[in-house]
Amino acid sequence: DIQMTQSPSSLSASVGDRVTITCQATQDISIYLNWYQQKPGKAPTLLIYEASTLKAGVPSRFSGSGSGTRFTFTIGGLQPEDIATYYCQQYDSLPLTFGGGTKVDLK
Amino acid sequence: QVQLQESGPGLVKPSETLSLTCTVSGGSITTDYWSWIRQPPGKGLEWIGYIYYTGSVDNNPSLRSRVSISVDTAKNQFSLRLTSVTAADTAVYYCAKHRDSLVHDSFDIWGQGRMVTVSS
Repeated sequence: DIQMTQSPSSLSASVGDRVTITCQATQDISIYLNWYQQKPGKAPTLLIYEASTLKAGVPSRFSGSGSGTRFTFTIGGLQPEDIATYYCQQYDSLPLTFGGGTKVDLK
Repeated sequence: QVQLQESGPGLVKPSETLSLTCTVSGGSITTDYWSWIRQPPGKGLEWIGYIYYTGSVDNNPSLRSRVSISVDTAKNQFSLRLTSVTAADTAVYYCAKHRDSLVHDSFDIWGQGRMVTVSS
């Protein structure tokens, strides 16, 4: 199985801050990497697929980059509504696997 | 717009079988791949398995011997059965639609989730 390691596991930031999360895969997954946002008590929602493609309707302050084994997710200017847990997910091979999550809250 | 809704018992006894159904509305189950994903309380996400309307399936090896996923195209539903459950199977169970009609894919539509507790 491909293991996905996210860092940090949690972070605190102020409104307007640039927030960066990394996701590392145990083997080359090309660009087959997604990012999800999950708010408490809710199902995850897809933000980015193919490492850097923003899903339609997702604010442009969200972005993703990377390929191979190392990926980055960025919130360009943190908004109060962005408080959530963020997960990466690889879809290069089965079983599909998720990172452990990064909890983002307000400082 | 496709919507998903999980249904089934919220409490299952240890050693018994967990059964959940996902109803697809606003679209046909024959156009995409569909998965089950679970999330233990306070923990991360685990993919359980997928199904296509033809009956083609695959499951996570960590659960393979206990998992069965089936589809009912007439009812626009797909279902999950997990046998011999233990407390470790306590989780929110989500059904989800694959974004681009591929096995290896992202999940663009999710159900609201069904909390299942394993307890006597």
